[in-house]
Amino acid sequence: EVQLVESGGGWVQPGGSLRLSCAASGFTFKNYEMNWLRQAPGEGLEWISFITTGSGTIHYADSVKGRFTISRDNAQNSLFLQMNSLRVEDTAVYYCARDPGGQLVPAYFDYWGQGTLVTVSS
Amino acid sequence: SYELTQTPSVSVSPGQTASITCSGDKLGDDYACWYQQRPGQSPVLLIYQDTKRPSGIPERFSGSNSGNTATLTISGTQAMDEADYYCQAWDRSTPVVFGGGTRLTVI
Repeated sequence: EVQLVESGGGWVQPGGSLRLSCAASGFTFKNYEMNWLRQAPGEGLEWISFITTGSGTIHYADSVKGRFTISRDNAQNSLFLQMNSLRVEDTAVYYCARDPGGQLVPAYFDYWGQGTLVTVSS
Repeated sequence: SYELTQTPSVSVSPGQTASITCSGDKLGDDYACWYQQRPGQSPVLLIYQDTKRPSGIPERFSGSNSGNTATLTISGTQAMDEADYYCQAWDRSTPVVFGGGTRLTVI
């Protein structure tokens, strides 16, 4: 069974940093492109970052470019999101999601984790 | 920037067919997919590459995409189908875009 389990969310003040992790199991992690997406309270879905299997290609949404960094450790079956210079508008549930497209760009998302809540507030 | 537009809410009676649309400029030239999100849960992929269903998704969910509109059709709607539905488009030159979501109410 495919499982994605996010962790690392919490409360942080504006300007602060957090590092999210996503532990993958039930599939060969190194063979899949991965993504981070988020959903602000009461709002819709927003894709924010993508990484290819070997980390050679990375994409970011304009809303997080220059502040967030995606990475992965295939030996540990883990995906990460380093979030710096956090803003109030970054408050959301953050999801990691598997991407079976193999297109070197984000395509679609066939498995999602349960999400981890990040709250940015003073 | 590219935008996808969904009707905010749709109501349907149990057993009837629900159609949820997603509009965008030349959307039919891209791949469309659909997600279901029940309250308090993570999104679930229902349809990908316009018409394909992942394993485990009931046959009552179907998709189409042509011109400027993608459509999710739910045949024989059940109470458990009450949820938010999001369309999403992608191609090699367009970043991932989501529609604003449609709340389906089964009444």
